[in-house]
Amino acid sequence: KAGVTQTPRYLIKTRGQQVTLSCSPISGHRSVSWYQQTPGQGLQFLFEYFSETQRNKGNFPGRFSGRQFSNSRSEMNVSTLELGDSALYLCASRNQGAETQYFGPGTRLLVL
Amino acid sequence: GNSVTQMEGPVTLSEEAFLTINCTYTATGYPSLFWYVQYPGEGLQLLLKATKADDKGSNKGFEATYRKETTSFHLEKGSVQVSDSAVYFCALSDEGWAGNNRKLIWGLGTSLAVNP
Repeated sequence: KAGVTQTPRYLIKTRGQQVTLSCSPISGHRSVSWYQQTPGQGLQFLFEYFSETQRNKGNFPGRFSGRQFSNSRSEMNVSTLELGDSALYLCASRNQGAETQYFGPGTRLLVL
Repeated sequence: GNSVTQMEGPVTLSEEAFLTINCTYTATGYPSLFWYVQYPGEGLQLLLKATKADDKGSNKGFEATYRKETTSFHLEKGSVQVSDSAVYFCALSDEGWAGNNRKLIWGLGTSLAVNP
């Protein structure tokens, strides 16, 4: 079974731009979560989607948004990028009712 | 709120040395506890988990026991290898086993370097 895939793997943007990251979960997994990883703050939860509905949200500004499609694929969007948004963005999927999350390789975003 | 505290790194060991990475947590209820590992340039991989007090999770020679009395979940390995060099994260599953509103609360990670 294929693992969680994320595209693109690397991205360079400039301040003020927006970016969309994509995540395809493990086949059959309907829950997708997004995390931001930075050296200073570590791993922080962004949001979780289940069956196209946002179920949980972390403490991030409204510039960070996401959505999930009927095939469980998810996208997250960051608008009006700031330098501090430079990070590794990780996506994780899990089975309904299960606790274990499986992570993708991440998208490394650099904001200049 | 719930939180996880890990020992700070980096930890540098020689091959075949004994490894302990401390992890303590603060939580209401009875969360599940996890150790994830991140190899250089890669995403996170689940290393082991424990879902209730006194459970021992184990995988690839690593072990951790869920200690409710000390609110700890320390990671141990009897003999580390160079290939174990990575960053190790302790995490707890917020809200326990209830519905689908669940997120992981993370420690800051402990970097391990194993020298030959």
